[in-house]
Amino acid sequence: NAGVTQTPKFRVLKTGQSMTLLCAQDMNHEYMYWYRQDPGMGLRLIHYSVGEGTTAKGEVPDGYNVSRLKKQNFLLGLESAAPSQTSVYFCASSYPVGGGSNQPQHFGDGTRLSIL
Amino acid sequence: AQTVTQSQPEMSVQEAETVTLSCTYDTSESDYYLFWYKQPPSRQMILVIRQEAYKQQNATENRFSVNFQKAAKSFSLKISDSQLGDAAMYFCAYRGFTGANSKLTFGKGITLSVRP
Repeated sequence: NAGVTQTPKFRVLKTGQSMTLLCAQDMNHEYMYWYRQDPGMGLRLIHYSVGEGTTAKGEVPDGYNVSRLKKQNFLLGLESAAPSQTSVYFCASSYPVGGGSNQPQHFGDGTRLSIL
Repeated sequence: AQTVTQSQPEMSVQEAETVTLSCTYDTSESDYYLFWYKQPPSRQMILVIRQEAYKQQNATENRFSVNFQKAAKSFSLKISDSQLGDAAMYFCAYRGFTGANSKLTFGKGITLSVRP
């Protein structure tokens, strides 16, 4: 059982380069999320999606774009990478909340991204 | 907006002893979920325990238990019989009850070390 899979696990970019991080889940979850983790900051939400074809901004969306063309995939794009985007990125997914259903978020193993 | 505060950046406990990690939060919602996640050096985000705000009974999972004080907006984690494998960073997290609030809001985390 794969759960949430993030690709790649590590990447080094030069300032100004672009790249896409892929998140794939095989649990048929409606909701998907992208977080970034920085030292002393915890995890902060970048963008999220509550269903195929829908996305919304989180706490720190600037410099990132996302797409959810398929239910199982959630892509995070950096159009022009900046050193401030050096971080560890986590994808997560879950069933819908509410109605007494406390389904936790399932996390991928993270992607360490360095921007030089 | 919801906020989660973990005021202790580091704690240390002797193996086999008990330790309590503190967490407070701020919200205007009456129904919500609270979580503790563990992040070992492997970087995985592992769910430790969860609590529904509408439940008065404190959640327990083997050696892990919480002290949930809704009026005080406090959610502490108690680890009994500490083991070397408990050494990790621990994050307290809040999750709202509806779709738009389904994202997790994390505290900044606390690093727990276990002395043999």
